Amino acid sequence: SQKIEQNSEALNIQEGKTATLTCNYTNYSPAYLQWYRQDPGRGPVFLLLIRENEKEKRKERLKVTFDTTLKQSLFHITASQPADSATYLCALDQTGANNLFFGTGTRLTVIP
Amino acid sequence: DTEVTQTPKHLVMGMTNKKSLKCEQHMGHRAMYWYKQKAKKPPELMFVYSYEKLSINESVPSRFSPECPNSSLLNLHLHALQPEDSALYLCASSQEWGDGYTFGSGTRLTVV
Repeated sequence: SQKIEQNSEALNIQEGKTATLTCNYTNYSPAYLQWYRQDPGRGPVFLLLIRENEKEKRKERLKVTFDTTLKQSLFHITASQPADSATYLCALDQTGANNLFFGTGTRLTVIP
Repeated sequence: DTEVTQTPKHLVMGMTNKKSLKCEQHMGHRAMYWYKQKAKKPPELMFVYSYEKLSINESVPSRFSPECPNSSLLNLHLHALQPEDSALYLCASSQEWGDGYTFGSGTRLTVV
């Protein structure tokens, strides 16, 4: 069966440290993978997209890597701040399909 | 305008009621989506409209009926719902396949 799993349900880190979140998938052949942030009671907000032929993508304090051999993406937030506290979701498609399936999510708490 | 607007924000309905959720975007996006999200779970895809035509129905019960009157509007008609249908219903749009999705803030639905 198809699965998209994020390494931990919750992650606590100290302010200023780098947060690393993991997304693993099975039985998908995605053309791209996306990361979203979701605050309680709100819709997800798009952060970054990385394509299957890209190894790494950066945007300000965010970095995403994509390893199609390991079937894994890593999401890094450097110099983390309490305002980064939220649930982070990875999402991927099936190649050629106009749909997006979400991982289980990781709730990140940055402690001042 | 870079938003997806959903109305109402909250809805309480009885199991015999008929109600509709509305979604609007003016970004010229060609694909629109309905997702359902239960508490502490990731969003689950329900329907996909591409160029105003229903392209994906993820085996959703017939008590949920989507409608796309034009390229900017998406409705979800609800009839004879069950208490287990209580959830956050999210609308999203994207310009093309392979783009990030823009989500609305959702409609919090409670079925009593």
